[in-house]
Amino acid sequence: DAGITQSPRHKVTETGTPVTLRCHQTENHRYMYWYRQDPGHGLRLIHYSYGVKDTDKGEVSDGYSVSRSKTEDFLLTLESATSSQTSVYFCAIRNGNSGNTIYFGEGSWLTVV
Amino acid sequence: AQSVTQLDSHVSVSEGTPVLLRCNYSSSYSPSLFWYVQHPNKGLQLLLKYTSAATLVKGINGFEAEFKKSETSFHLTKPSAHMSDAAEYFCVVSDPNYGQNFVFGPGTRLSVLP
Repeated sequence: DAGITQSPRHKVTETGTPVTLRCHQTENHRYMYWYRQDPGHGLRLIHYSYGVKDTDKGEVSDGYSVSRSKTEDFLLTLESATSSQTSVYFCAIRNGNSGNTIYFGEGSWLTVV
Repeated sequence: AQSVTQLDSHVSVSEGTPVLLRCNYSSSYSPSLFWYVQHPNKGLQLLLKYTSAATLVKGINGFEAEFKKSETSFHLTKPSAHMSDAAEYFCVVSDPNYGQNFVFGPGTRLSVLP
C-alpha cells in the first residue's frame, strides 16, 4: 500500500462543467503523476509534478491543468469537460527508495455526458 | 524516444498450463522495465521490475521475466496459470535519459479457461 487516495472515485458530469480530481499521498514522495487509461492505449501521461508548485506536461495534456500547493496533494482539473475526457484517471507516485518504481491509486472513473 | 510493444492484445490459456506474455521495448542502453497487473475495476499492481541487476527477475504470484538486451525484450512468464491470473497486464519502460515518464504498452488481456 503506497498510501495513495483518489477522490472522487466515480463521477458523472455534464459537458462544459469544470471537474477537479484529487490525489492525496501520505509518504512525502516528490514525484506525482496523473494518467488516463483508455482501451487500446494503455496509460498515457497527462501531467506530472516534481515538487510543490513544480509541474510539467505529459503527452495528452490538452484540456487539463494541475496544481500542487502541498507535497501530499496533486489536483487535476478539467476546465470544461468534454465527452472525449470520459476515462479512468489514475494518480501515481514515484518511490525513489524502491528503485524509482511507480505505485498507483485505485483510479477515478469519470463520465462526461 | 521510448516505446513499448505488447505483441498480443489477448492471450487465452487453460488453467495449469504455462503463460507467456510478450513485450518488446525501444529505449537507450539501460532502461528500467516493469510489469503491472490490473484486475477488473482495480488499480495497477506491480508484478516485478528490472533495474540493471539480474536479467531474470522473479515477481509475485509465481511470475518471472527475463531481460534480453540483444532482443530488446522483457517477456513475462508463469509455469502454471491459475484462474486468479485472469487480468490485464502492462509492460512499462522508464529511462531517465528521456525525462521522468514511464511509457506503457497497450496491455495484454489474459484469459484463463477452466
